[in-house]
Amino acid sequence: SNELTQPPSVSVSPGQTASITCSGDKLGDKYACWYQQKPGQSPVLVIYQDSERPSGIPERFSGSNSGNTATLTISGTQTMDEADYYCQAWDSSTVVFGTGTKVTVL
Amino acid sequence: QVQLQESGPGLVKPSETLSLTCTVSGGSISTYYWSWIRQPPGKGLEWIGYIYYSGSTKYNPSLQSRVTGSLDTSKNQFSLKLSSVTAADTAVYYCARLNYYDGSGGTGYYMDVWGKGTTVTVSS
Repeated sequence: SNELTQPPSVSVSPGQTASITCSGDKLGDKYACWYQQKPGQSPVLVIYQDSERPSGIPERFSGSNSGNTATLTISGTQTMDEADYYCQAWDSSTVVFGTGTKVTVL
Repeated sequence: QVQLQESGPGLVKPSETLSLTCTVSGGSISTYYWSWIRQPPGKGLEWIGYIYYSGSTKYNPSLQSRVTGSLDTSKNQFSLKLSSVTAADTAVYYCARLNYYDGSGGTGYYMDVWGKGTTVTVSS
């Protein structure tokens, strides 16, 4: 199966750590990436190659991938991090997106 | 830096063909893969397909029978056609650069540059 499952929502208090999971069959054998999407905006790449940050992405964003689960961690979450987050992987030469997680900072 | 801009009609009638173009500026289209993604109102991202600068393509199996991609290197553009549209094809359509990284564990693909998106409504 090439489905990637994420929790629909995650809530976090400002300054705390948010963890968003992405589950898929043998996902750890592939490379995962993550996108942040704020309302009315295009997605922005925040993690690629499991744990690499593109230029300009704050250090509080980190990623890991092992077994069947990839995880995006936001340390010291800020109100500006409130957004939808999508994981993505490459499977059989196709792009697969996760179901998406809404992160609420309150 | 590389920028992408989608263009096309905002309204398409049911059963007709949706045609969109993505113009690449600040870099050449003659490298990388180039991808289309859509997002229905209030829903998640759905990958439509990609085209390589050589012209080879790959499409989402769920849309494969209706999708055709092409590129024009002279204009630094790539295009999408989606036939026999219905209301379910109403969405924001994005184009993006599909970059890749060769690591010890294989090759990973990710979309590092996105267009602003264009809204397409299917309605009579």
